[in-house]
Amino acid sequence: AQSVTQLDSHVSVSEGTPVLLRCNYSSSYSPSLFWYVQHPNKGLQLLLKYTSAATLVKGINGFEAEFKKSETSFHLTKPSAHMSDAAEYFCVVSARGGGADGLTFGKGTHLIIQP
Amino acid sequence: GAGVSQSPSNKVTEKGKDVELRCDPISGHTALYWYRQSLGQGLEFLIYFQGNSAPDKSGLPSDRFSAERTGGSVSTLTIQRTQQEDSAVYLCASSLFGTSTDTQYFGPGTRLTVL
Repeated sequence: AQSVTQLDSHVSVSEGTPVLLRCNYSSSYSPSLFWYVQHPNKGLQLLLKYTSAATLVKGINGFEAEFKKSETSFHLTKPSAHMSDAAEYFCVVSARGGGADGLTFGKGTHLIIQP
Repeated sequence: GAGVSQSPSNKVTEKGKDVELRCDPISGHTALYWYRQSLGQGLEFLIYFQGNSAPDKSGLPSDRFSAERTGGSVSTLTIQRTQQEDSAVYLCASSLFGTSTDTQYFGPGTRLTVL
């Protein structure tokens, strides 16, 4: 069984300041971890994924995430927020060993960018 | 190339009616997934197809829900005798192989409203 906890339901930052969206996971297997973004009235888009290669993963639009096994965390960061980053962000886990369970989503973090 | 498409984009129905939701995955993708996104439950996995087979149907919320996939391509999700709690956005995703490391590509969703 696996689960994902996104520690903040809402995060508000000023434009140009760093972004940190926190995610902790639990999994019985070595997990694959993903961050997806959902802009208002748009579909889910993959930002980045970790699949047991490098622990620091770089994604699109300047986002990156670091897999820390000892802390069971996969926090998403960006050095400088842009207004277009305002969206809902989902941390997602997939158990290694097959896709039969689908993806397990966190409850999402709503990122607000203040001008 | 074309992404995952879903139809209809919006569906309003009366309680007790049956509805069919359609998903066209990315060409060549062997795995297809259905998810439901609702305010109270977040994003939930419903069912997964590998080819035309669904190895695990335990994510379907009740026996009113069924899904099929034909020709290893198009899938339909059918909800019989709809209830108000079925109101949600139904998302379809596809991936190339269906492994846990694969990226799932999401469609725009079908917003179902049950009156």
